[in-house]
Amino acid sequence: AQKVTQAQTEISVVEKEDVTLDCVYETRDTTYYLFWYKQPPSGELVFLIRRNSFDEQNEISGRYSWNFQKSTSSFNFTITASQVVDSAVYFCALSEAYSSASKIIFGSGTRLSIRP
Amino acid sequence: NAGVTQTPKFQVLKTGQSMTLQCAQDMNHEYMSWYRQDPGMGLRLIHYSVGAGITDQGEVPNGYNVSRSTTEDFPLRLLSAAPSQTSVYFCASSPERAGYHEQYFGPGTRLTVT
Repeated sequence: AQKVTQAQTEISVVEKEDVTLDCVYETRDTTYYLFWYKQPPSGELVFLIRRNSFDEQNEISGRYSWNFQKSTSSFNFTITASQVVDSAVYFCALSEAYSSASKIIFGSGTRLSIRP
Repeated sequence: NAGVTQTPKFQVLKTGQSMTLQCAQDMNHEYMSWYRQDPGMGLRLIHYSVGAGITDQGEVPNGYNVSRSTTEDFPLRLLSAAPSQTSVYFCASSPERAGYHEQYFGPGTRLTVT
Protein backbone atom coordinates (compact mmCIF):
# COMPACT_ATOMS: atom_id res chain seq x y z
CA ALA A 1 0.00 0.00 0.00
CA GLN A 2 1.17 3.52 -0.66
CA LYS A 3 1.87 5.93 2.16
CA VAL A 4 3.30 9.40 2.54
CA THR A 5 4.76 10.65 5.80
CA GLN A 6 5.48 14.28 6.60
CA ALA A 7 6.84 14.03 10.10
CA GLN A 8 7.19 17.78 10.59
CA THR A 9 3.78 19.04 11.62
CA GLU A 10 4.82 22.67 12.02
CA ILE A 11 7.97 24.63 11.29
CA SER A 12 8.64 28.24 12.18
CA VAL A 13 11.68 30.16 10.95
CA VAL A 14 12.76 33.74 10.64
CA GLU A 15 12.63 35.36 7.24
CA LYS A 16 15.68 34.75 5.04
CA GLU A 17 16.52 31.47 6.72
CA ASP A 18 16.66 28.31 4.63
CA VAL A 19 14.15 25.61 5.51
CA THR A 20 13.72 21.99 4.41
CA LEU A 21 10.44 20.13 4.47
CA ASP A 22 10.77 16.37 4.69
CA CYS A 23 8.72 13.80 2.82
CA VAL A 24 9.12 10.04 3.09
CA TYR A 25 7.03 7.68 1.00
CA GLU A 26 6.24 4.00 0.76
CA THR A 27 5.25 2.16 -2.37
CA ARG A 28 5.62 -1.30 -3.88
CA ASP A 29 5.61 -0.01 -7.44
CA THR A 30 8.77 0.73 -9.37
CA THR A 31 7.00 3.42 -11.36
CA TYR A 32 5.38 6.20 -9.40
CA TYR A 33 4.99 9.95 -9.23
CA LEU A 34 5.67 12.39 -6.45
CA PHE A 35 4.18 15.83 -5.98
CA TRP A 36 4.40 18.89 -3.80
CA TYR A 37 1.43 21.22 -3.34
CA LYS A 38 1.23 24.49 -1.46
CA GLN A 39 -1.86 25.66 0.43
CA PRO A 40 -1.55 29.35 1.40
CA PRO A 41 -3.81 30.88 4.07
CA SER A 42 -6.39 31.65 1.38
CA GLY A 43 -7.04 27.91 1.17
CA GLU A 44 -6.50 27.02 -2.47
CA LEU A 45 -4.14 24.23 -3.47
CA VAL A 46 -1.25 25.26 -5.69
CA PHE A 47 0.75 22.70 -7.66
CA LEU A 48 4.52 23.08 -7.22
CA ILE A 49 6.24 20.09 -8.79
CA ARG A 50 5.76 16.57 -10.17
CA ARG A 51 8.57 14.04 -10.36
CA ASN A 52 8.52 10.51 -11.74
CA SER A 53 10.43 7.66 -10.15
CA PHE A 54 12.90 7.35 -13.00
CA ASP A 55 14.12 10.89 -12.72
CA GLU A 56 16.29 11.33 -9.65
CA GLN A 57 17.81 14.56 -10.82
CA ASN A 58 17.34 17.30 -8.30
CA GLU A 59 15.38 20.30 -9.45
CA ILE A 60 15.72 23.99 -8.71
CA SER A 61 13.15 26.64 -9.43
CA GLY A 62 14.15 30.02 -8.12
CA ARG A 63 14.33 29.77 -4.32
CA TYR A 64 12.73 26.32 -4.36
CA SER A 65 14.64 23.07 -4.76
CA TRP A 66 13.72 19.43 -4.48
CA ASN A 67 15.94 16.51 -3.49
CA PHE A 68 14.64 13.12 -4.64
CA GLN A 69 16.46 10.09 -3.22
CA LYS A 70 15.06 6.67 -4.07
CA SER A 71 17.55 4.96 -1.76
CA THR A 72 15.89 6.58 1.25
CA SER A 73 12.41 6.95 -0.29
CA SER A 74 12.50 10.66 0.30
CA PHE A 75 11.46 13.70 -1.69
CA ASN A 76 12.46 16.73 0.34
CA PHE A 77 11.68 20.34 -0.44
CA THR A 78 13.98 23.23 0.42
CA ILE A 79 13.16 26.91 0.40
CA THR A 80 16.21 29.14 0.28
CA ALA A 81 16.10 32.64 1.77
CA SER A 82 12.52 32.17 2.96
CA GLN A 83 10.00 34.97 2.70
CA VAL A 84 6.80 35.72 4.58
CA VAL A 85 4.82 34.83 1.44
CA ASP A 86 6.14 31.28 1.76
CA SER A 87 3.98 30.82 4.86
CA ALA A 88 1.58 28.02 3.99
CA VAL A 89 0.79 24.36 4.49
CA TYR A 90 2.83 22.18 2.17
CA PHE A 91 1.68 18.74 1.09
CA CYS A 92 3.73 15.94 -0.40
CA ALA A 93 1.79 13.35 -2.44
CA LEU A 94 2.37 10.03 -4.19
CA SER A 95 0.68 8.25 -7.08
CA GLU A 96 1.47 4.74 -8.26
CA ALA A 97 1.57 4.62 -12.04
CA TYR A 98 -0.10 1.26 -12.46
CA SER A 99 -2.55 1.46 -9.63
CA SER A 100 -6.01 0.51 -10.77
CA ALA A 101 -7.33 3.05 -8.32
CA SER A 102 -5.72 5.88 -10.22
CA LYS A 103 -5.38 8.01 -7.14
CA ILE A 104 -3.02 10.33 -5.34
CA ILE A 105 -2.26 9.85 -1.65
CA PHE A 106 -1.37 12.96 0.30
CA GLY A 107 0.76 13.35 3.40
CA SER A 108 -0.68 15.12 6.41
CA GLY A 109 1.09 18.36 5.54
CA THR A 110 3.66 20.64 7.13
CA ARG A 111 2.58 24.08 8.28
CA LEU A 112 5.39 26.53 7.58
CA SER A 113 5.41 29.92 9.28
CA ILE A 114 7.92 32.54 8.23
CA ARG A 115 8.38 35.26 10.85
CA PRO A 116 9.43 38.72 9.67
CA ASN B 1 -11.28 29.98 -18.36
CA ALA B 2 -13.00 29.14 -15.06
CA GLY B 3 -11.05 25.92 -14.34
CA VAL B 4 -12.63 23.92 -11.51
CA THR B 5 -15.58 25.53 -9.75
CA GLN B 6 -17.30 24.41 -6.59
CA THR B 7 -20.56 25.51 -5.02
CA PRO B 8 -21.42 26.42 -2.37
CA LYS B 9 -18.33 27.89 -0.66
CA PHE B 10 -19.84 27.47 2.80
CA GLN B 11 -22.65 25.30 4.08
CA VAL B 12 -24.12 24.50 7.47
CA LEU B 13 -26.26 21.38 7.80
CA LYS B 14 -28.10 19.73 10.64
CA THR B 15 -27.47 16.09 11.42
CA GLY B 16 -29.53 13.89 9.13
CA GLN B 17 -29.96 16.42 6.35
CA SER B 18 -28.83 15.61 2.84
CA MET B 19 -27.22 17.87 0.31
CA THR B 20 -25.18 17.93 -2.88
CA LEU B 21 -21.84 19.65 -3.32
CA GLN B 22 -21.43 20.76 -6.89
CA CYS B 23 -18.24 20.52 -8.92
CA ALA B 24 -17.73 21.51 -12.54
CA GLN B 25 -14.71 21.86 -14.80
CA ASP B 26 -14.44 23.41 -18.23
CA MET B 27 -11.12 21.89 -19.29
CA ASN B 28 -12.58 18.68 -20.78
CA HIS B 29 -10.70 16.61 -18.21
CA GLU B 30 -11.53 12.92 -17.99
CA TYR B 31 -10.41 12.44 -14.41
CA MET B 32 -12.19 14.02 -11.46
CA SER B 33 -11.90 13.43 -7.74
CA TRP B 34 -13.35 14.50 -4.42
CA TYR B 35 -11.17 14.94 -1.34
CA ARG B 36 -11.87 15.98 2.20
CA GLN B 37 -9.36 17.90 4.29
CA ASP B 38 -9.34 17.58 8.04
CA PRO B 39 -6.84 19.16 10.46
CA GLY B 40 -3.66 17.10 10.74
CA MET B 41 -4.83 14.53 8.20
CA GLY B 42 -4.02 16.04 4.85
CA LEU B 43 -6.36 15.33 1.97
CA ARG B 44 -8.17 12.03 1.80
CA LEU B 45 -9.76 10.70 -1.36
CA ILE B 46 -13.53 10.13 -1.13
CA HIS B 47 -14.54 9.13 -4.65
CA TYR B 48 -13.09 9.52 -8.09
CA SER B 49 -14.13 9.15 -11.72
CA VAL B 50 -12.06 8.20 -14.76
CA GLY B 51 -14.70 9.36 -17.21
CA ALA B 52 -18.40 9.96 -17.72
CA GLY B 53 -20.40 7.07 -16.35
CA ILE B 54 -17.48 5.58 -14.38
CA THR B 55 -16.92 6.18 -10.67
CA ASP B 56 -15.08 4.37 -7.92
CA GLN B 57 -14.42 4.61 -4.20
CA GLY B 58 -11.41 6.19 -2.59
CA GLU B 59 -10.14 5.92 0.97
CA VAL B 60 -13.16 7.30 2.82
CA PRO B 61 -16.32 6.74 0.74
CA ASN B 62 -18.83 5.92 3.48
CA GLY B 63 -21.69 8.39 3.73
CA TYR B 64 -21.06 9.87 0.29
CA ASN B 65 -22.41 9.17 -3.15
CA VAL B 66 -21.27 10.36 -6.57
CA SER B 67 -22.31 10.13 -10.19
CA ARG B 68 -20.75 11.34 -13.42
CA SER B 69 -23.32 11.82 -16.14
CA THR B 70 -21.24 14.36 -18.07
CA THR B 71 -17.53 15.06 -18.48
CA GLU B 72 -17.96 18.49 -16.91
CA ASP B 73 -19.83 17.73 -13.69
CA PHE B 74 -19.04 15.55 -10.69
CA PRO B 75 -21.45 16.19 -7.80
CA LEU B 76 -20.89 14.78 -4.32
CA ARG B 77 -23.96 13.82 -2.33
CA LEU B 78 -24.13 13.54 1.43
CA LEU B 79 -26.92 11.09 2.10
CA SER B 80 -27.51 11.79 5.81
CA ALA B 81 -25.09 14.35 7.21
CA ALA B 82 -23.20 13.55 10.40
CA PRO B 83 -20.93 15.79 12.54
CA SER B 84 -17.99 13.61 11.44
CA GLN B 85 -18.50 14.96 7.93
CA THR B 86 -17.61 18.48 9.05
CA SER B 87 -14.65 19.23 6.80
CA VAL B 88 -13.37 21.17 3.84
CA TYR B 89 -14.16 19.44 0.56
CA PHE B 90 -12.05 19.83 -2.55
CA CYS B 91 -12.88 18.75 -6.06
CA ALA B 92 -10.05 18.16 -8.52
CA SER B 93 -9.68 17.32 -12.18
CA SER B 94 -6.86 16.08 -14.38
CA PRO B 95 -6.45 15.46 -18.10
CA GLU B 96 -4.81 12.10 -17.44
CA ARG B 97 -4.95 9.46 -14.77
CA ALA B 98 -3.78 10.60 -11.37
CA GLY B 99 -0.02 10.88 -11.29
CA TYR B 100 0.61 11.37 -14.98
CA HIS B 101 -0.33 15.01 -14.64
CA GLU B 102 -0.95 17.54 -11.92
CA GLN B 103 -4.44 17.81 -10.53
CA TYR B 104 -6.32 21.08 -10.73
CA PHE B 105 -8.22 21.86 -7.56
CA GLY B 106 -11.34 23.86 -6.97
CA PRO B 107 -11.49 26.52 -4.23
CA GLY B 108 -13.13 24.18 -1.73
CA THR B 109 -16.41 23.97 0.17
CA ARG B 110 -16.37 24.38 3.94
CA LEU B 111 -19.10 22.21 5.43
CA THR B 112 -20.22 22.26 9.04
CA VAL B 113 -22.64 19.66 10.36
CA THR B 114 -24.27 20.48 13.71
